[in-house]
Amino acid sequence: ETGVTQTPRHLVMGMTNKKSLKCEQHLGHNAMYWYKQSAKKPLELMFVYSLEERVENNSVPSRFSPECPNSSHLFLHLHTLQPEDSALYLCASSQDRGGGSKNIQYFGAGTRLSVL
Amino acid sequence: LAKTTQPISMDSYEGQEVNITCSHNNIATNDYITWYQQFPSQGPRFIIQGYKTKVTNEVASLFIPADRKSSTLSLPRVSLSDTAVYYCLVGAGGATNKLIFGTGTLLAVQP
Repeated sequence: ETGVTQTPRHLVMGMTNKKSLKCEQHLGHNAMYWYKQSAKKPLELMFVYSLEERVENNSVPSRFSPECPNSSHLFLHLHTLQPEDSALYLCASSQDRGGGSKNIQYFGAGTRLSVL
Repeated sequence: LAKTTQPISMDSYEGQEVNITCSHNNIATNDYITWYQQFPSQGPRFIIQGYKTKVTNEVASLFIPADRKSSTLSLPRVSLSDTAVYYCLVGAGGATNKLIFGTGTLLAVQP
């Protein structure tokens, strides 16, 4: 148990569906992240939030829409996805964006997404 | 952001000590070195972090030479459950706290 919980663990959706991934951290952290991990590829950073403000968007297509209503919750809203979006989506949090131990990221178990 | 280079894969046997070395030639003065472990279909898990010399915790040791251009993760007496991908990351947090995950090192522990 890392203190970061992601739901659902598995999701199958059609290309016309709208779904949302949820992440909740119980660590009192101020920064949260979304990553994408495709098969046999490195993790790709998608979005970074700090104190509920989006501070980075790594050229992610608009069909992925993040939301951070408070420092403990992070959502990733999905719509009109493509089959190539099938991947493991990981959420992480860190104490802050400072150096040293403050930037250690704690990851959830991920959501395995399949787009048909 | 400092780029890291580590072996793609390593093999070991149960009970052996495993050392995984990571090169980061252009590490910046305020960069820390952090190692993560990832099992299939799970998120990476923090193992150890250091800035210089040696750091040890209940799981591993991290050796960092004086020039800090490389680091070595040492896993004592590995078991089958240590089979995983190990990532070396270098960064200093800051404005975006951007961590770049490379391909990592796949450690396969044999009985």
